Amino acid sequence: GALVYQYPRRTICKSGTSMRMECQAVGFQATSVAWYRQSPQKTFELIALSTVNSAIKYEQNFTQEKFPISHPNLSFSSMTVLNAYLEDRGLYLCGVWGNQDTQYFGPGTRLLVL
Amino acid sequence: GDSVTQTEGQVALSEEDFLTIHCNYSASGYPALFWYVQYPGEGPQFLFRASRDKEKGSSRGFEATYDKGTTSFHLRKASVQESDSAVYYCALGRPNTNKVVFGTGTRLQVLP
Repeated sequence: GALVYQYPRRTICKSGTSMRMECQAVGFQATSVAWYRQSPQKTFELIALSTVNSAIKYEQNFTQEKFPISHPNLSFSSMTVLNAYLEDRGLYLCGVWGNQDTQYFGPGTRLLVL
Repeated sequence: GDSVTQTEGQVALSEEDFLTIHCNYSASGYPALFWYVQYPGEGPQFLFRASRDKEKGSSRGFEATYDKGTTSFHLRKASVQESDSAVYYCALGRPNTNKVVFGTGTRLQVLP
């Protein structure tokens, strides 16, 4: 079956520092990977959509300068949160399109900023 | 643009009660419709999907029927268990754009 792993599951960083999170698909090809942020008061905010061999598309209010993404192959993607501040707290999810045109999600990386 | 509305923010039931969580969507054409369930500390888990009018999706005793006439995809379960307590998200997707739009979620609490 389709499995999506994310690492780390939880991380704490000091305000103004950066942290990198990873997403790995097992059992299917991650041609497209979507990164979301789930905040306590909000539902899922789409950050960007990354497709192998195509430009990464960022949603409004999210930029490459703040959330650079790497998607080097069909099983792996990573995203960095640069200069993290309190408003960047939340659960970061990667969603990978798999079989039957369904998006499968990893368990998320919870970011806490001190 | 596409949108999904879940009217119930929270639902509290007793074990063996019947469950309905309402989901309505606004979109052109025939988007795919999904239900996901999210447990504390986890990412959303795919429950099932439907992509055609009158198509029924089901999994783990949950079911929903795609209704283009009422633009709805209501989640139902005949008899809930305490282990069903979680947040349920209705979602709309267009595979050709690789985008998914989520509803605001409904927190289900099932009391023993």
